[in-house]
Amino acid sequence: ETGVTQTPRHLVMGMTNKKSLKCEQHLGHNAMYWYKQSAKKPLELMFVYNFKEQTENNSVPSRFSPECPNSSHLFLHLHTLQPEDSALYLCASSQDLEATYEQYFGPGTRLTVT
Amino acid sequence: GQNIDQPTEMTATEGAIVQINCTYQTSGFNGLFWYQQHAGEAPTFLSYNVLDGLEEKGRFSSFLSRSKGYSYLLLKELQMKDSASYLCAVRDSNYQLIWGAGTKLIIKP
Repeated sequence: ETGVTQTPRHLVMGMTNKKSLKCEQHLGHNAMYWYKQSAKKPLELMFVYNFKEQTENNSVPSRFSPECPNSSHLFLHLHTLQPEDSALYLCASSQDLEATYEQYFGPGTRLTVT
Repeated sequence: GQNIDQPTEMTATEGAIVQINCTYQTSGFNGLFWYQQHAGEAPTFLSYNVLDGLEEKGRFSSFLSRSKGYSYLLLKELQMKDSASYLCAVRDSNYQLIWGAGTKLIIKP
């Protein structure tokens, strides 16, 4: 595996379900990110981890819970979601948080909440 | 508030040149990025500008004017595979990336 991988690629869940999204980066990076991408809207940064420590939580509802067990893995735990949470969830990584480093994105998980 | 503006959609002809504009209003500036995103795929990095001027990379060039809060992405010799969304993002004073909604570029034969 190379780059940033995400599983599952597609997920359909009911509002009462609990599920988890997984992200893994094979680039030796220290920073990892969760984004939400809705149609025709800007990417919304949800969470940032640097060296396994959470550095940003942009007012994300508590029904989204991140976990970063090590610098290579990032999870997004989902529970009691709402239909408006349906979107593409993208994971990204970068060398660290310094300005000059670009972010590398995974292919995303297309989430549908019914 | 912080804001990134770019056109929603543009159409161009194969072999031609197209310029995608991006204007920004952010709290501080620590660089501007352009990403390409094909439908159903991950965004991929195209360019980074932190100083004024033009950065050229093959068929793609990116320009920045910090005083005007303005950038553009120039695509030359357009190919059908260039059909994609192009995302502009600015890193603010807190080193957070502020993203535009993206410009969908449609290439016609």
